[in-house]
Amino acid sequence: ETGVTQTPRHLVMGMTNKKSLKCEQHLGHNAMYWYKQSAKKPLELMFVYSLEERVENNSVPSRFSPECPNSSHLFLHLHTLQPEDSALYLCASSQAGAAGANVLTFGAGSRLTVL
Amino acid sequence: AQSVAQPEDQVNVAEGNPLTVKCTYSVSGNPYLFWYVQYPNRGLQFLLKYITGDNLVKGSYGFEAEFNKSQTSFHLKKPSALVSDSALYFCAVRLLNFGNEKLTFGTGTRLTIIP
Repeated sequence: ETGVTQTPRHLVMGMTNKKSLKCEQHLGHNAMYWYKQSAKKPLELMFVYSLEERVENNSVPSRFSPECPNSSHLFLHLHTLQPEDSALYLCASSQAGAAGANVLTFGAGSRLTVL
Repeated sequence: AQSVAQPEDQVNVAEGNPLTVKCTYSVSGNPYLFWYVQYPNRGLQFLLKYITGDNLVKGSYGFEAEFNKSQTSFHLKKPSALVSDSALYFCAVRLLNFGNEKLTFGTGTRLTIIP
């Protein structure tokens, strides 16, 4: 295990459903991220939380709603998604501010299919 | 704006041969460069990084990368490929004085090692 756990690993949902993705890190990091991975596209940064405050929101549609209740947990709440939202959603964490470090540790991802 | 280009979607190499996965970057300042690898059904794993200093950087699993400022390149190399090196490889760049919220990834290169 990489120290970052994502659940569920696979999710199929209809366009009218509401679901959530969960991420938990056991590394003592203070920054957490949501990325979207689609085939043959660069990883898209969606949200960043540093010290439990959101510091980045890259024009993500409001049908994606993040929540970071503490430094170890991150959620991505999903509602009224579109088929083009089908992708692999990756959670990552890092130690913000650590000199020379700052590498990202990723979870295995949640594969989302929107019907 | 910063960017990363991985010009090859797919690279095939015979087992035991040297391998190179190409990456070029564009930033307005001193770059902080990374390589990450993604094995099937896994998240991305950190391989190596360049900050400053020696242009040849050594990383995990026998991989190394050479920073070339004049060519703005950071190609990933390994002297002798293993079948287990088959994976998706991502190059990423950000400026030294920014955090991971400003990290830009390439589109990835699928490396296949042929037995």
